[in-house]
Amino acid sequence: QVQLVQSGAEVKKPGASVKVSCKASGYSFTSYGISWVRQAPGQGPEWMGWISAYNGNTNYAQKLQGRITMTTDTSTRTAYMELRSLRSDDTAVYYCARVQYRRLDQWGQGTLVTVSS
Amino acid sequence: DIVMTQTPLSLSVTPGQPASISCKSSQSLLHSDGKTYLYWYLQKPGQPPQLLIYEVSNHFSGVPDRFSGSGSGTDFTLKISRVEAEDVGVYYCMQSIQLPGFGQGTKVEIK
Repeated sequence: QVQLVQSGAEVKKPGASVKVSCKASGYSFTSYGISWVRQAPGQGPEWMGWISAYNGNTNYAQKLQGRITMTTDTSTRTAYMELRSLRSDDTAVYYCARVQYRRLDQWGQGTLVTVSS
Repeated sequence: DIVMTQTPLSLSVTPGQPASISCKSSQSLLHSDGKTYLYWYLQKPGQPPQLLIYEVSNHFSGVPDRFSGSGSGTDFTLKISRVEAEDVGVYYCMQSIQLPGFGQGTKVEIK
């Protein structure tokens, strides 16, 4: 079955960077894209960006431009999301989700990133 | 940016009774390819969102028939014909005709 397994929780200080991984299994990795979505405590989901696992093309939310980088490693079927210059309002659960035809259909379990001094 | 507005924000339902959630978008979600990019998700406590309905009215794999989606253009509705205890959580609509955006969510609880 389709699975997206994310890396574990992180605690970072303001100004630091975090890199979250998302390992895919159970489907043809390069036939889909991966979106990253975050959810701050008590808030709704916020789309962060998308990467094609086929060719590495990306599209990022404007508010995160310059601080975010999404990559994939097709040899290990893993997607990565790096967020830099962390602030307290980046504290959230970060999800990866499989994407095809604009549809986010399978989600990882989530990774809690806490930004605190 | 497209704004997605859900009503109500919370809903308390007796098991076996129907429930309905509305989602309105600030722009039409009908694409030139003929598809309407409106989705419904349920986020159960402590879990990631799970896809229920895609492109307005299509059931995602494994989703019970008691869930149905309808609507067009800018007005959409998710209906649960008979609410069960396992349906509790927060329901989100999402558009992806532009960069994806979510509604603010509707919390469904059981009376």
